[in-house]
Amino acid sequence: EDKVVQSPLSLVVHEGDTVTLNCSYEVTNFRSLLWYKQEKKAPTFLFMLTSSGIEKKSGRLSSILDKKELFSILNITATQTGDSAVYLCAVDQNTGNQFYFGTGTSLTVIP
Amino acid sequence: DADVTQTPRNRITKTGKRIMLECSQTKGHDRMYWYRQDPGLGLQLIYYSFDVKDINKGEISDGYSVSRQAQAKFSLSLESAIPNQTALYFCATSAGPLEGYTFGSGTRLTVV
Repeated sequence: EDKVVQSPLSLVVHEGDTVTLNCSYEVTNFRSLLWYKQEKKAPTFLFMLTSSGIEKKSGRLSSILDKKELFSILNITATQTGDSAVYLCAVDQNTGNQFYFGTGTSLTVIP
Repeated sequence: DADVTQTPRNRITKTGKRIMLECSQTKGHDRMYWYRQDPGLGLQLIYYSFDVKDINKGEISDGYSVSRQAQAKFSLSLESAIPNQTALYFCATSAGPLEGYTFGSGTRLTVV
């Protein structure tokens, strides 16, 4: 079964809009949740959220983790064309040795 | 220079051929991973290694093998390539639990 589900699958917005990307997960012994941005090739790290760090912010990007409801959101305010990418969410477990990835949300920002 | 380097960047090969994808890193990380990415399926773990003597199968290891030649090098082999192994392959490293991955630039493999 899917451990990590991201929504929406794709999104098209205009520059300046605010977007919210969702990631819900279902793993036992949750340890951390990560957000990555994937442009043309390699995913690049954005945020890590854990029990001790449930809210992160960097410039126009911010993310929160709701451990009770088992989801995270990634917010991007005042979007720019350079924000166009696939955004990946991944979670891992205390008892595991890998991250489980969602299928990603494809964001396109139109000028 | 990139922290995690994958070679080749692109490769087209024929069904039945053996092919090796290579990964080297300058991060000094012990943990190395091979993932494949297919449209609509996200990243799936093939193999991972926590040190030179430690090799573990991931979700989709069938048809693949790996070799950890040194702390810095982790190679992935397709013993007899088949078309459904056409995908984008990523190598990644990590310093440990509660540390995110550093990804290589990927190898786009096409099996015809």
